[in-house]
Amino acid sequence: AQRVTQPEKLLSVFKGAPVELKCNYSYSGSPELFWYVQYSRQRLQLLLRHISRESIKGFTADLNKGETSFHLKKPFAQEEDSAMYYCALASGTYKYIFGTGTRLKVLA
Amino acid sequence: DSGVTQTPKHLITATGQRVTLRCSPRSGDLSVYWYQQSLDQGLQFLIQYYNGEERAKGNILERFSAQQFPDLHSELNLSSLELGDSALYFCASSVGASLREETQYFGPGTRLLVL
Repeated sequence: AQRVTQPEKLLSVFKGAPVELKCNYSYSGSPELFWYVQYSRQRLQLLLRHISRESIKGFTADLNKGETSFHLKKPFAQEEDSAMYYCALASGTYKYIFGTGTRLKVLA
Repeated sequence: DSGVTQTPKHLITATGQRVTLRCSPRSGDLSVYWYQQSLDQGLQFLIQYYNGEERAKGNILERFSAQQFPDLHSELNLSSLELGDSALYFCASSVGASLREETQYFGPGTRLLVL
C-alpha cells in the first residue's frame, strides 16, 4: 500500500541545534516527494520538493530510494522554524498522500 | 485577498444532514483540490478538479461529491453526515493539473462539527 510515515508527532530541539524531521514512504513507482509547513495561524504551504533539489529557509531534503526516506534537515534550528511539518508524496498522476505531520518546537 | 478562499469558516450541523463547502481558487488557477484533516487520519486527499473536469480521486466517500463551476469555484457536498465526518476541510488550488509538478496553494479551511 502507498503510505507516508512520519514517526514523530513532536520534536523539540534547542535553538542552534541540528534538526532532522523523518519521513519514510512506501511506493512501488518513482515517487515525487514534498515537504509542507504550517506556521501558527498561517496556511499550509509548500516548503520544498524533491525534484527541485533546493534549499528553502536553510532546510534541505534528500531522497534516499534505498531507505525509502525523504528526511528534512537543517543544520541550525531557529525559533521561527517552530511549526507543523508534513511530508507528502505524489503517487503517479492521480493521488496525493500526506503523512500525519510532525510538530517542531525550537526552544530558546 | 487574492489567495484561496473558503466559506464558511465554521459549520455546525447534525447527523444525517447535508452541507456544502465552497472554495474559490487563486486568480488564474485552474485546478482545485479538496482535503479532509481529521485528528486520527491526518490530511487525506479527496478529489481534484481541473478546468471543470474531475482529474484525480482519492479517499472520497460516496456520500461526498464535488464539482467545479465555469467560474472555477468549487463546492464540496457532504451528505448523510456522520459524527466521524467532523474535520477540517481544506481546499487548495494550482495553475496546472499535474500533482507531481504543481505547487498547491491552500485555503484557510472550513471546520465542520457534526453533532
